[in-house]
Amino acid sequence: AQRVTQPEKLLSVFKGAPVELKCNYSYSGSPELFWYVQYSRQRLQLLLRHISRESIKGFTADLNKGETSFHLKKPFAQEEDSAMYYCALSDRGSTLGRLYFGRGTQLTVWP
Amino acid sequence: DGGITQSPKYLFRKEGQNVTLSCEQNLNHDAMYWYRQDPGQGLRLIYYSQIVNDFQKGDIAEGYSVSREKKESFPLTVTSAQKNPTAFYLCASSIDGRANYGYTFGSGTRLTVV
Repeated sequence: AQRVTQPEKLLSVFKGAPVELKCNYSYSGSPELFWYVQYSRQRLQLLLRHISRESIKGFTADLNKGETSFHLKKPFAQEEDSAMYYCALSDRGSTLGRLYFGRGTQLTVWP
Repeated sequence: DGGITQSPKYLFRKEGQNVTLSCEQNLNHDAMYWYRQDPGQGLRLIYYSQIVNDFQKGDIAEGYSVSREKKESFPLTVTSAQKNPTAFYLCASSIDGRANYGYTFGSGTRLTVV
């Protein structure tokens, strides 16, 4: 079974501090991993795909297959980063495509 | 402007009523999905459809029904059998049924039972 765990429901940091949002997964196949972000009063939007290895808005995420983790990091948090973040996984090998989401982490960046 | 449109934004339902939430996309995406978002629960999959005239139950399909008669449209009906329908409902689409490129989401419908 596929499962995504985000252990922190809430995370608060001060502006300029590093931030790491944790995501662990359990999956036996070949996963594709994503981070989605939902700013206040906006729709859920894709932030990162692990396969593209991009840095978006200063965020990066590295897939660690040994630890089955895909933590989201930013070296210097900004107030505008305050949002709900969801980690998600899809099964690249399956024909029944769907995403499995974690429960989300609410990030608050204080001034 | 390409995207997903959900309507209405807010919906109130009386006990025992069925209501239908609309989801339309003009992205030419093959697959469409309905999720329910509750505080602390994340996103839970209700139904999904990879092609027209075909759909599968997700993790919490009881009390819901869908149809996929057109590629652009994937309406969700919340029936009176759904015990706790008050929630935020999100529709999404993906380029193909494998979801390897992720989803595009609509802006959601907030359903409240009164």
